Amino acid sequence: GAGVSQSPSNKVTEKGKDVELRCDPISGHTALYWYRQSLGQGLEFLIYFQGNSAPDKSGLPSDRFSAERTGGSVSTLTIQRTQQEDSAVYLCASSPSGAGSSYEQYFGPGTRLTVT
Amino acid sequence: AQSVSQHNHHVILSEAASLELGCNYSYGGTVNLFWYVQYPGQHLQLLLKYFSGDPLVKGIKGFEAEFIKSKFSFNLRKPSVQWSDTAEYFCAVSIRGYQKVTFGTGTKLQVIP
Repeated sequence: GAGVSQSPSNKVTEKGKDVELRCDPISGHTALYWYRQSLGQGLEFLIYFQGNSAPDKSGLPSDRFSAERTGGSVSTLTIQRTQQEDSAVYLCASSPSGAGSSYEQYFGPGTRLTVT
Repeated sequence: AQSVSQHNHHVILSEAASLELGCNYSYGGTVNLFWYVQYPGQHLQLLLKYFSGDPLVKGIKGFEAEFIKSKFSFNLRKPSVQWSDTAEYFCAVSIRGYQKVTFGTGTKLQVIP
């Protein structure tokens, strides 16, 4: 079946511009995660959505970052007034949940963001 | 909050050598443990996981990991690596009952033919 998809695959933007990154999770997966992957930094947790519960935003690095998930499916990560330090690969993952779930995460290909 | 440490950032091995990648976590309660792998140009994918039961977990491609609770460790092992194992390996932990996962900084493994 279809995996997690992300768009765009690459985004180059000028410092100060806003960007939107999109994630389409696997159908039926109730949990959705955003991570940031920078050189030598591993995967930095950003935000986590679980069903209709309030999202866990504890990883968002500043108030320039926000995310929403519409209808329990597609998610958009928005970065306002981009800075050069925002340059990274932004990964989305989804996982099934519920009793007996293994909580395995399925990752998308990522969006490589470059802020010039 | 839990944290994960991977002490080896870059490992270079010859084919057929044995592999052990270290992973330590900090959390005193019950945890779920994972190893993910990212092959060049590919998505991150699950290699193996530990939830409960036998602390020695077998994964894909001959990998295994041992959960040692007293040492807060979940080291990844493979007796004989292949060139195709060249990849970046991430250890991850979640608190039992919660889906938020914390990842380590990753270990880049380079296997020389």
